[in-house]
Amino acid sequence: KAGVTQTPRYLIKTRGQQVTLSCSPISGHRSVSWYQQTPGQGLQFLFEYFSETQRNKGNFPGRFSGRQFSNSRSEMNVSTLELGDSALYLCASSLAGVGDEQFFGPGTRLTVL
Amino acid sequence: AQSVTQLGSHVSVSEGALVLLRCNYSSSVPPYLFWYVQYPNQGLQLLLKYTSAATLVKGINGFEAEFKKSETSFHLTKPSAHMSDAAEYFCAVRPDYGGATNKLIFGTGTLLAVQP
Repeated sequence: KAGVTQTPRYLIKTRGQQVTLSCSPISGHRSVSWYQQTPGQGLQFLFEYFSETQRNKGNFPGRFSGRQFSNSRSEMNVSTLELGDSALYLCASSLAGVGDEQFFGPGTRLTVL
Repeated sequence: AQSVTQLGSHVSVSEGALVLLRCNYSSSVPPYLFWYVQYPNQGLQLLLKYTSAATLVKGINGFEAEFKKSETSFHLTKPSAHMSDAAEYFCAVRPDYGGATNKLIFGTGTLLAVQP
């Protein structure tokens, strides 16, 4: 069974640009969560989607948005990039139920210059 | 707000020695607690989880953790360290117990070094 895949793996952008990251969950998984990992702030929850609906949202500005498609694939978008958005963005998928194990992808490393 | 605190951002042990990574949680209700491991340039892998069943939880790769309500702790241990255990370890809590979410709050991580 294929694991969680994230594309692209590495990305370099400049300030002010926007970026879209993609996450394909494990087949059959319906819940997708996104996390931002930085050396200074650690791992922080961005948002969670289940059946195309946002189920929970972290404390991030509105420049961060996401969506989930009917096949459970998810995308997150960051508009008007800032230097501080440089981070490893991790996606995690789980079957559906609360408390189900979450499987993490390898992440997308975003660098903002 | 629920949170977890990991004591010691860096821990170094000798190969074959006991591994003890500390995690304390703050929660007003029985929490869901997790330990994850992250190898360089990779995502997180679940080692084990506590969901209010047995207080001693066994995980993968020989790791285990004991839930101690009186100490609000969920320390991770392994009797004998192996070189391949060198990685960063994260303790996490699912804060909305009983709510419809899989949101996790992570500790700041402990980088484990294993010396030959």
